[in-house]
Amino acid sequence: KAGVTQTPRYLIKTRGQQVTLSCSPISGHRSVSWYQQTPGQGLQFLFEYFSETQRNKGNFPGRFSGRQFSNSRSEMNVSTLELGDSALYLCASSPGTTSDTQYFGPGTRLTVL
Amino acid sequence: KNQVEQSPQSLIILEGKNCTLQCNYTVSPFSNLRWYKQDTGRGPVSLTIMTFSENTKSNGRYTATLDADTKQSSLHITASQLSDSASYICVAPSGGSYIPTFGRGTSLIVHP
Repeated sequence: KAGVTQTPRYLIKTRGQQVTLSCSPISGHRSVSWYQQTPGQGLQFLFEYFSETQRNKGNFPGRFSGRQFSNSRSEMNVSTLELGDSALYLCASSPGTTSDTQYFGPGTRLTVL
Repeated sequence: KNQVEQSPQSLIILEGKNCTLQCNYTVSPFSNLRWYKQDTGRGPVSLTIMTFSENTKSNGRYTATLDADTKQSSLHITASQLSDSASYICVAPSGGSYIPTFGRGTSLIVHP
């Protein structure tokens, strides 16, 4: 089975712009979660989607949003980018229950100038 | 407030030696505790998932323990290899909302 894929792998944006990141889960997985990883804060949970519905949400401002499509692929959008949004954005997929193993993608490295 | 604290922050050992990483958690209600290995520039890889009723779980040379009374977990690495050099992250999702709380990780360097 192919692993979790994320596109693009690297991205450079300027303050005020918006960005959309994409995640394709492992075939058959219905849950996709998004995380932000920075040197200062470590890994932080953004949100989780299951069957096209947001099931859980972390403590991030409304500038961070996401969605999931019927084929389980997911996108994450960040609007009005700030310098502090520079981070590695990881997505992870799992079959669906909260006790399942999560499989992470390689991440998208976002740099905001 | 849910918290996960890991120690040590960093560790350097010689190849072939054993080591133990620590994780203390205050997550309520408890659901499970997970250990991940993250190589530089890559996404985390799951090592173990332990529920409340499990005391020990092994994955090859990695053995995780869980003490639900003291809210402590440890990850023991046996006969370390150069490829074990990575960051090891402890995660405890809240049983109520499943919002995961992450530790800051232990950076392990294995020298030849």
